[in-house]
Amino acid sequence: AQKVTQAQTEISVVEKEDVTLDCVYETRDTTYYLFWYKQPPSGELVFLIRRNSFDEQNEISGRYSWNFQKSTSSFNFTITASQVVDSAVYFCALSEASGNTGKLIFGQGTTLQVKP
Amino acid sequence: KAGVTQTPRYLIKTRGQQVTLSCSPISGHRSVSWYQQTPGQGLQFLFEYFSETQRNKGNFPGRFSGRQFSNSRSEMNVSTLELGDSALYLCASSRADTDTQYFGPGTRLTVL
Repeated sequence: AQKVTQAQTEISVVEKEDVTLDCVYETRDTTYYLFWYKQPPSGELVFLIRRNSFDEQNEISGRYSWNFQKSTSSFNFTITASQVVDSAVYFCALSEASGNTGKLIFGQGTTLQVKP
Repeated sequence: KAGVTQTPRYLIKTRGQQVTLSCSPISGHRSVSWYQQTPGQGLQFLFEYFSETQRNKGNFPGRFSGRQFSNSRSEMNVSTLELGDSALYLCASSRADTDTQYFGPGTRLTVL
């Protein structure tokens, strides 16, 4: 069964703090893709990053970094030196290569509030 | 490049009516997926179209249907609206089925 779990429902931090959003996934496929999306109050889902199951190289992009570990089925996302504009709902999503074309399976989302 | 556009942005309907939502994908994208977002159920996949063919369907009743035109634009239709259909409906496009999906701003449907 395919499933994405974001155990953190809400996180509140003060500006400039670092924050990590957790994501755990389940899939039987050997080829799959993982994503992080951001949903600001306007409602549009904004793509942040994509990783395929064969690429465990972690990446840093500006204030954002990602930690993909197949051994623990986790794909965590860290914001360094958070800013008020980072306040949004963050979704982790899974896409499988076989049999489920065009379908993203989303976690329940983590609401991040960054206070000034 | 223009992003995914959805029309209308807001809709208010009454129970029993039907509604049609429209989605224009990013130029060159042939796959269009639809999602329903509600506070209780989160983001759920409705269906996906590629080259005018529905290739995948989520677990929704037959009242939810869609189609895709030759220019890749897509519409979804909900017939006999129920209160529980009130949601944000999001459309996403991608070049291929496993490619990154880019989302539109959504259509917020309220059923009274």
